[in-house]
Amino acid sequence: AQSVTQLDSQVPVFEEAPVELRCNYSSSVSVYLFWYVQYPNQGLQLLLKYLSGSTLVKGINGFEAEFNKSQTSFHLRKPSVHISDTAEYFCAVSGRGSTLGRLYFGRGTQLTVWP
Amino acid sequence: ETGVTQTPRHLVMGMTNKKSLKCEQHLGHNAMYWYKQSAKKPLELMFVYSLEERVENNSVPSRFSPECPNSSHLFLHLHTLQPEDSALYLCASSQDYGTSGSYEQFFGPGTRLTVL
Repeated sequence: AQSVTQLDSQVPVFEEAPVELRCNYSSSVSVYLFWYVQYPNQGLQLLLKYLSGSTLVKGINGFEAEFNKSQTSFHLRKPSVHISDTAEYFCAVSGRGSTLGRLYFGRGTQLTVWP
Repeated sequence: ETGVTQTPRHLVMGMTNKKSLKCEQHLGHNAMYWYKQSAKKPLELMFVYSLEERVENNSVPSRFSPECPNSSHLFLHLHTLQPEDSALYLCASSQDYGTSGSYEQFFGPGTRLTVL
């Protein structure tokens, strides 16, 4: 089985500052990795995904993440945040070869951007 | 309609009521999921359907009863719920490739359920 740890439950940051949301995973098999964003009273929206290939993955809204196999991490970064980035962010992992796309989610990180 | 839709978006029910949540996916996927999202708790996977067959039931109380009549529709029938069942219920779908695994899940907007 897989598991995900999001190290920070809340990250406050000022507008236009850089941000990093941390995610570590554990798995006995190779993985697919995902970051989702959830705005208030909405469902989860995919930000980006790592399936294979380049370890630096670019997503929507200027976010990117880097897969680090040796550190079992998949941290999410943005060089300059906006007020509209305020939301909950979830890291998720799926084991390659596992059927049914079983996703294991972290507990989420609330990103709050202050003016 | 596109993506994954859920109705109703909000539902208030008493403990003795019977209601149903509906999910429809317009993506041609073959797997569908129900999740429960409570405040201060991680996402909980409730049920998984693949090709209309229930393949996972994560110890969910019998007062929650899923139904998947075809690959595009998923229902969650609710009866005699408890106040602690109040939560956001999310539906998702994905394309399952068997032993090759699956990629991302696509989520609906959720149904905010309040049990009085």
